[in-house]
Amino acid sequence: DVKVTQSSRYLVKRTGEKVFLECVQDMDHENMFWYRQDPGLGLRLIYFSYDVKMKEKGDIPEGYSVSREKKERFSLILESASTNQTSMYLCASSFPPYRGGGNTIYFGEGSWLTVV
Amino acid sequence: SQQGEEDPQALSIQEGENATMNCSYKTSINNLQWYRQNSGRGLVHLILIRSNEREKHSGRLRVTLDTSKKSSSLLITASRAADTASYFCATNTGFQKLVFGTGTRLLVSP
Repeated sequence: DVKVTQSSRYLVKRTGEKVFLECVQDMDHENMFWYRQDPGLGLRLIYFSYDVKMKEKGDIPEGYSVSREKKERFSLILESASTNQTSMYLCASSFPPYRGGGNTIYFGEGSWLTVV
Repeated sequence: SQQGEEDPQALSIQEGENATMNCSYKTSINNLQWYRQNSGRGLVHLILIRSNEREKHSGRLRVTLDTSKKSSSLLITASRAADTASYFCATNTGFQKLVFGTGTRLLVSP
């Protein structure tokens, strides 16, 4: 079974802190994603990576950055956390189409971040 | 940008009844997928239907796709309390990203 592991399930951080959310997948997937999920807004894509050291902005990248130094690991960084970044963050991974993935995405269990 | 919009936003039924959720989208797609999310957890892939398919079945799930109307429906037959969850459609427009809708919350009462 595909395993996408998010390192922290619940975090509470202070405004202005630098926050790291870590995600590891064990299926040799090229694609990795960070989404945030808010009530009434569904899932919104923050950043996407299609290979090591490659990244692409999603729909709401402002206030976030990402790092992909190894294929299995994709980190989301909040440079200076703000209260409007309180949310559930979901990491996901998939094969690209040329590896027959069909774009089915596998999700981690989510990280609940509260910024106070 | 939200591609898919689910309808209804919330649905409450009794065990044994069928549950139907609808999804509308805006642009041409390669495929459409449905995901399930239990409360406070990650999403789990349920079923994928390609743009050249009209109907697909998987166990108690039936998905239809009408590309002329840019809409899809998910039918869960003989619902169980364990089907209580949020259900999301997601569209693939040919790039390596999926765009998710806002979801339908399904409550199945015993």
